[in-house]
Amino acid sequence: EPEVTQTPSHQVTQMGQEVILRCVPISNHLYFYWYRQILGQKVEFLVSFYNNEISEKSEIFDDQFSVERPDGSNFTLKIRSTKLEDSAMYFCASSDRGRYEQYFGPGTRLTVT
Amino acid sequence: AQSVTQLGSHVSVSEGALVLLRCNYSSSVPPYLFWYVQYPNQGLQLLLKYTSAATLVKGINGFEAEFKKSETSFHLTKPSAHMSDAAEYFCAVSGEGGGFKTIFGAGTRLFVKA
Repeated sequence: EPEVTQTPSHQVTQMGQEVILRCVPISNHLYFYWYRQILGQKVEFLVSFYNNEISEKSEIFDDQFSVERPDGSNFTLKIRSTKLEDSAMYFCASSDRGRYEQYFGPGTRLTVT
Repeated sequence: AQSVTQLGSHVSVSEGALVLLRCNYSSSVPPYLFWYVQYPNQGLQLLLKYTSAATLVKGINGFEAEFKKSETSFHLTKPSAHMSDAAEYFCAVSGEGGGFKTIFGAGTRLFVKA
């Protein structure tokens, strides 16, 4: 069964450093998403991406964040200058056209020290 | 804007007892509703989904949920709890807005006692 994959599974970085989290969505999907979950809290929407542009973003997704689909398979989330409060689990998700069900990847745990 | 309220951050049941996890939603459009399960240090696994077909939805691992529009509810049930059901459960809604984002509830942690 096709699945969403994410790398790395765990990333440790120092405050102020840039990080790139990578995702490979399901191959025939057209909608891509990033969510985050701070430890012990609920899953929060960050951004949705369709047709090579952001279709919606939350207030969390400020200028420090960016997303890109650099090729036909990868979908990345970049945090330009990480803060301690960026420590969280980041989930990538994808869905196919016209459907609302999203398939989630296993997540990348980001630890900012 | 869409929102989800899960009643009870923690629910404890005995093995073999009924599991009932409550979820209420608000939405300005016909919603798509989901229940996800998250085991410790793992990702989100879809348990079941409601997408405007049958109001009683059956999912994996013996779980089911009933969509009640009049009550704006989508409660999750399982007739007989198993120790392996202990996990965090998230109710979620989507369908509003062009980005099709999913809005999650705060989660309910289910404890199963032997």
